[in-house]
Amino acid sequence: EAAVTQSPRNKVAVTGGKVTLSCNQTNNHNNMYWYRQDTGHGLRLIHYSYGAGSTEKGDIPDGYKASRPSQENFSLILELATPSQTSVYFCASGDRDYAEQFFGPGTRLTVL
Amino acid sequence: GDSVTQTEGLVTLTKGLPVMLNCTYQTTYSPFLFWYVQHLNEAPKLLLKSSTDNKRTEHQGFYATLHKSSSSFHLQKSSVQLSDSALYFCALSDLYNQGKLIFGQGTKLSIKP
Repeated sequence: EAAVTQSPRNKVAVTGGKVTLSCNQTNNHNNMYWYRQDTGHGLRLIHYSYGAGSTEKGDIPDGYKASRPSQENFSLILELATPSQTSVYFCASGDRDYAEQFFGPGTRLTVL
Repeated sequence: GDSVTQTEGLVTLTKGLPVMLNCTYQTTYSPFLFWYVQHLNEAPKLLLKSSTDNKRTEHQGFYATLHKSSSSFHLQKSSVQLSDSALYFCALSDLYNQGKLIFGQGTKLSIKP
């Protein structure tokens, strides 16, 4: 079965600090995605990638960067964290167009 | 652009009753529709998917039929259980979006004993 893992699972950061959220998938999927989930907003796409070395902006990319150094790993970077970035972040991977996405367990980020 | 609309934010039902969660979509391209379920403090998981017009798809007692004529993919179950309490997302993909999913806002289903 598809396996997507995220680290850390919980993170408390200070305003202005740098935060890196990591995602690893063992499915050999080309596509990977970062979402944030807030009450009342559902799942919103931040960045995505079609393969190693590629990153694309999603619907809400401001304040976030992404890095895809390999097929398996996809990171989300908050260079200067702000309290508005307090949220639950999900990573997902998917194989091809139209295919389902497999989600990781999520990272709960609190920015104080 | 593409969009997905789920009209109910919260649905509260008594165990054993039927349920229908609404999902309509908008796209210019041939659609692929999904229902994801997310239990409390868990990740979203795929429940159903379809790209075939007028064909019913079923999984774990839930079912849905894609109707391209009305741009709908409503989720139904004939008898809900306490364990069905969760957040349900409808999502859309198509060739234009190249694998990206467009999610609806989600419907919280709460089942009472």
